[in-house]
Amino acid sequence: AQSVTQLDSQVPVFEEAPVELRCNYSSSVSVYLFWYVQYPNQGLQLLLKYLSGSTLVESINGFEAEFNKSQTSFHLRKPSVHISDTAEYFCAVSDALGDDKIIFGKGTRLHILP
Amino acid sequence: DAGVTQSPTHLIKTRGQQVTLRCSPISGHKSVSWYQQVLGQGPQFIFQYYEKEERGRGNFPDRFSARQFPNYSSELNVNALLLGDSALYLCASSNLGMVINTEAFFGQGTRLTVV
Repeated sequence: AQSVTQLDSQVPVFEEAPVELRCNYSSSVSVYLFWYVQYPNQGLQLLLKYLSGSTLVESINGFEAEFNKSQTSFHLRKPSVHISDTAEYFCAVSDALGDDKIIFGKGTRLHILP
Repeated sequence: DAGVTQSPTHLIKTRGQQVTLRCSPISGHKSVSWYQQVLGQGPQFIFQYYEKEERGRGNFPDRFSARQFPNYSSELNVNALLLGDSALYLCASSNLGMVINTEAFFGQGTRLTVV
């Protein structure tokens, strides 16, 4: 069985400052890793995903995450945040065996301070 | 193309009642999954249906049931509602079963409030 741990429930950061949202996972099989974003009163949107290949994956709005197998981590980073990045961010994992079940972490709320 | 659509968007029910939530997947997607997101928590897997058959079930009581129709739309039913069933219910569709299945697309959810 897989599990996901997001170490920070809330992260306050000043606008234009860098941010890192931490995520660790546990699994006995190969996994796919995801970051989803949930803006207030909205559903989930996929931010980026790691399936295979390059361990560094990027999103179109400046976020990136690096898969570290030895540390079982998939931390999300952005070099300079904007007020529009205010949202809840969920790290998630699914096994790479064709099952569609996604296991989510509890989420990290990103507060952008002016 | 339309994304995953869920109805209704909001719902208020009384304890003990029954509720049915509906989901239409993205055209061409044959897999539908349901998740429950309690306030302040991450989504939790309830069911997955593929080609009208249940493929996975999370740790939820038998009061929760679902089905998938020939057009791949799905319904989630919850009987004997409890206050703790209040949550955002999310539906996700994917192209599971095709050569490459790499992403689940989520709907906007149904906000269920049990009073």
